[in-house]
Amino acid sequence: NAGVMQNPRHLVRRRGQEARLRCSPMKGHSHVYWYRQLPEEGLKFMVYLQKENIIDESGMPKERFSAEFPKEGPSILRIQQVVRGDSAAYFCASSSSAGLTDTQYFGPGTRLTVL
Amino acid sequence: DAKTTQPNSMESNEEEPVHLPCNHSTISGTDYIHWYRQLPSQGPEYVIHGLTSNVNNRMASLAIAEDRKSSTLILHRATLRDAAVYYCIPLVYNQGGKLIFGQGTELSVKP
Repeated sequence: NAGVMQNPRHLVRRRGQEARLRCSPMKGHSHVYWYRQLPEEGLKFMVYLQKENIIDESGMPKERFSAEFPKEGPSILRIQQVVRGDSAAYFCASSSSAGLTDTQYFGPGTRLTVL
Repeated sequence: DAKTTQPNSMESNEEEPVHLPCNHSTISGTDYIHWYRQLPSQGPEYVIHGLTSNVNNRMASLAIAEDRKSSTLILHRATLRDAAVYYCIPLVYNQGGKLIFGQGTELSVKP
């Protein structure tokens, strides 16, 4: 059973471009979480999605960031008009459900560099 | 959110036990205590979780204080591969399972 897949692993964008980060959850998992780790900072929750629905986006910046998890295909975190402050490692995690005893399985991350 | 306090860093010798403490004095009765770790340049990985009783798995043991205001992650024999940042995370009821990471404890293991 393949783990959580993220691609690309490294992404370089110039200021003003768009970044699309993809996350394929573990087989059978319908819950996806995105986290961001800024340089020299801790991991911060961004958004929680369950197939086709955004459940909690309390950690998402209000502008330029969006996320989706379509019925078919990977979850996408989209950052429009990137700025240097968006440079970070973006991790996604998946779980089979969202209970208090459920484990989240993390992907290897996408490291975004904005020039 | 339940607040946690962990030492910023700890050091251990290889093949010796390591006790990583966490204070979570504001935890509520239904919050589970989860531990994750993040090895250098990798995504976090689950270690263990518990509610009231002490828990063991192949990776570690979790000792939870009787008043649940603190817990200790125990690595029985540290290896070089255990060098990582360890996060203690209370999982709050009705929060959708999202993990709120604190600053964690950076564990270094000396050969």
